[in-house]
Amino acid sequence: DGGITQSPKYLFRKEGQNVTLSCEQNLNHDAMYWYRQDPGQGLRLIYYSQIVNDFQKGDIAEGYSVSREKKESFPLTVTSAQKNPTAFYLCASSPGGSNYGYTFGSGTRLTVV
Amino acid sequence: KNEVEQSPQNLTAQEGEFITINCSYSVGISALHWLQQHPGGGIVSLFMLSSGKKKHGRLIATINIQEKHSSLHITASHPRDSAVYICAVSNTDKLIFGTGTRLQVFP
Repeated sequence: DGGITQSPKYLFRKEGQNVTLSCEQNLNHDAMYWYRQDPGQGLRLIYYSQIVNDFQKGDIAEGYSVSREKKESFPLTVTSAQKNPTAFYLCASSPGGSNYGYTFGSGTRLTVV
Repeated sequence: KNEVEQSPQNLTAQEGEFITINCSYSVGISALHWLQQHPGGGIVSLFMLSSGKKKHGRLIATINIQEKHSSLHITASHPRDSAVYICAVSNTDKLIFGTGTRLQVFP
């Protein structure tokens, strides 16, 4: 079945360490997105990519980095520069353009101690 | 003020009740999405609509473009409907999300 796989589901890291969250899709979607979810807030866009080898900053990109070397993969690195990294991270994909539906992953809960 | 507002924030219901969740937005949109998030965190897309009404099983979504308002209705609610329901709008090439409505349906 086609879908998005995020791994791991739970991740613990020490403060000051970089950590990479995986997002893989087999839907042949051009566009991929990373969102952050905090309690009581709507999802906020971190980075997005509409095509391989290209990506754009979202609303809260500081302290994060991404790559899009393959169509099916869009990993997110949470760097030590991110001041408050503990959150729930969701990856999504869409065929591209604003008139298509989105498919979401099951999320990764990152806790930095 | 948020660009996408949902009400209520929290909702409890008895099994079998008819439920309505509302969403208002203040930006131009190309489509509106209703999403469901279960306690595990994963999100499922329920509806994408740009006009009128859509129905899927016990779920009905409506949108009024002139009033910038959408509603999600659940008929004959069931405990398995307990989840967070999120409204999001497509604006250019991004989604803008509401903060969600937490629904609990008790037997």
